[in-house]
Amino acid sequence: GIQVEQSPPDLILQEGANSTLRCNFSDSVNNLQWFHQNPWGQLINLFYIPSGTKQNGRLSATTVATERYSLLYISSSQTTDSGVYFCAVVRAGANNLFFGTGTRLTVIP
Amino acid sequence: EPEVTQTPSHQVTQMGQEVILRCVPISNHLYFYWYRQILGQKVEFLVSFYNNEISEKSEIFDDQFSVERPDGSNFTLKIRSTKLEDSAMYFCASSGTGRVLAQYFGPGTRLLVL
Repeated sequence: GIQVEQSPPDLILQEGANSTLRCNFSDSVNNLQWFHQNPWGQLINLFYIPSGTKQNGRLSATTVATERYSLLYISSSQTTDSGVYFCAVVRAGANNLFFGTGTRLTVIP
Repeated sequence: EPEVTQTPSHQVTQMGQEVILRCVPISNHLYFYWYRQILGQKVEFLVSFYNNEISEKSEIFDDQFSVERPDGSNFTLKIRSTKLEDSAMYFCASSGTGRVLAQYFGPGTRLLVL
């Protein structure tokens, strides 16, 4: 099956710092989504981004499908950004999301 | 903004009991999914459902699991005889058809099997 690797596995930031999270995938995909899992376990949709670049406030994402990676940028981080960030992809020809193992972000005041 | 809802938010059950987890997908969506997340692990796909039948399932989705769309709004996951290892967060998701294929997740049901 498809492999989805996220890096780094853990990240600790001072409030106000910027960060880049990476997602590599091993096969062609027709869907890529970034999620934030909050401390209550809810999966919050951040981006649907099978290709290109999108921005939403302090967050932006870029997917280069031909090179099989996606990046999530968090600028001016806040303590409320803490949690686990998951990248998930749908392999071409399928319709289920395959999740990476996540990046656990801790933002300290 | 439309959202996926799930009930109950928490469920505690005894090993061997049957549980039914309920979901109301976004109203104009046509694809429905169940995923689970064992504590501390990644989210895993269980099953997808389209046009009143299962379209894909994982190896996790064995004979103890079943899904149903009993009416025009609900989508359920039944676990026939729960095991300790079924303890997990169960997420329902839905997506529409066409060019935008984003899946939208519900808040989850946390199942604990004792």
